[in-house]
Amino acid sequence: DAGVTQSPTHLIKTRGQQVTLRCSPKSGHDTVSWYQQALGQGPQFIFQYYEEEERQRGNFPDRFSGHQFPNYSSELNVNALLLGDSALYLCASSFGGPRDQPQHFGDGTRLSIL
Amino acid sequence: GESVGLHLPTLSVQEGDNSIINCAYSNSASDYFIWYKQESGKGPQFIIDIRSNMDKRQGQRVTVLLNKTVKHLSLQIAATQPGDSAVYFCAENRKGNTPLVFGKGTRLSVIA
Repeated sequence: DAGVTQSPTHLIKTRGQQVTLRCSPKSGHDTVSWYQQALGQGPQFIFQYYEEEERQRGNFPDRFSGHQFPNYSSELNVNALLLGDSALYLCASSFGGPRDQPQHFGDGTRLSIL
Repeated sequence: GESVGLHLPTLSVQEGDNSIINCAYSNSASDYFIWYKQESGKGPQFIIDIRSNMDKRQGQRVTVLLNKTVKHLSLQIAATQPGDSAVYFCAENRKGNTPLVFGKGTRLSVIA
């Protein structure tokens, strides 16, 4: 039973560039949430996708966008990268849309901005 | 949600002792709570959850206690093992369609 998988595991970009991160949810899950985790901090919610639509959004600028595909996988796109975007980006999956339930996390993509 | 600074609170325990990790949550409307364990280089791993209509829930070697009066959550780990060394986060989910909010992390260090 495959868990949540994310790619790539590490990525280095420079300021102003754009990046796309990918996530495949745990088998049987249809809801994907993205989080940003800065060093030494807890994960901060970016947004959640369910039925191919953004259902919830945290306090992140429009530079952060996403997409969910019919197979439930998801992408996180960040435009005009800033140094402060350096973080671990985590994907979490669950079932049935936004509701109170455990979310299962992948091991993240470590994004470094130079 | 709250965020923790670069220096996480640390709890050091001897192998075999019981550990208690505490968490204060901010919103009285929260009705669902989760504990996650995060090892170095890994994503958060689900440990146990509890709903607000309960005040205690037990899993394998772990117990979560919820005190709604003082908005406090705790995770008890019995017979702590070296493999329990990690950062532990509590997370809360408020009524309705609201995102999961993570609290401050606590680093558990098990001394062999």
